[in-house]
Amino acid sequence: DTEVTQTPKHLVMGMTNKKSLKCEQHMGHRAMYWYKQKAKKPPELMFVYSYEKLSINESVPSRFSPECPNSSLLNLHLHALQPEDSALYLCASSQDWRRELFFGEGSRLTVL
Amino acid sequence: KNEVEQSPQNLTAQEGEFITINCSYSVGISALHWLQQHPGGGIVSLFMLSSGKKKHGRLIATINIQEKHSSLHITASHPRDSAVYICAVRGGGADGLTFGKGTHLIIQP
Repeated sequence: DTEVTQTPKHLVMGMTNKKSLKCEQHMGHRAMYWYKQKAKKPPELMFVYSYEKLSINESVPSRFSPECPNSSLLNLHLHALQPEDSALYLCASSQDWRRELFFGEGSRLTVL
Repeated sequence: KNEVEQSPQNLTAQEGEFITINCSYSVGISALHWLQQHPGGGIVSLFMLSSGKKKHGRLIATINIQEKHSSLHITASHPRDSAVYICAVRGGGADGLTFGKGTHLIIQP
């Protein structure tokens, strides 16, 4: 299994909603990442988890809250988002920080 | 912070042509990645390089560490190669990747 699975593929939410994005991998990877990608732009790093501990938070607003409940799962909890947060959210994993990254298909988020 | 520059930004070619996409970066790295992204889709890792050259099917990637430059070549290009190709570099620490802006490639039949 060489897949990173992201759910849901599409999410539409209002500014007062609370929702979560989920990412799962069963490759035994110990580093997991959240990236945000706006249209026609390169991905921007949001968070890095290494061995289930948050190692990097790229000054992301607190309305985005990451969680790594175990080595296979990475969640991104969303609350009180703004329309400008609409984007493709990509999850990635790697065996460790030195190794090749594997990306999921992304969750396309629209905030109304 | 590493600055990653790709060229060209856009490239349209005919099926069968040999394609070259270039990437340069400003600061020493531990690895360079070439990634492929189809419209609206996720990202596929094509290569991870720290030195020399790698080949996979019709794709070839090279890196010159001294010149801080890498190239991605596609031989016998095909319309299914149409995608955005992204160069990304990793520094020496446990951080994520720094991405170039991507090269939008269109291969016409």
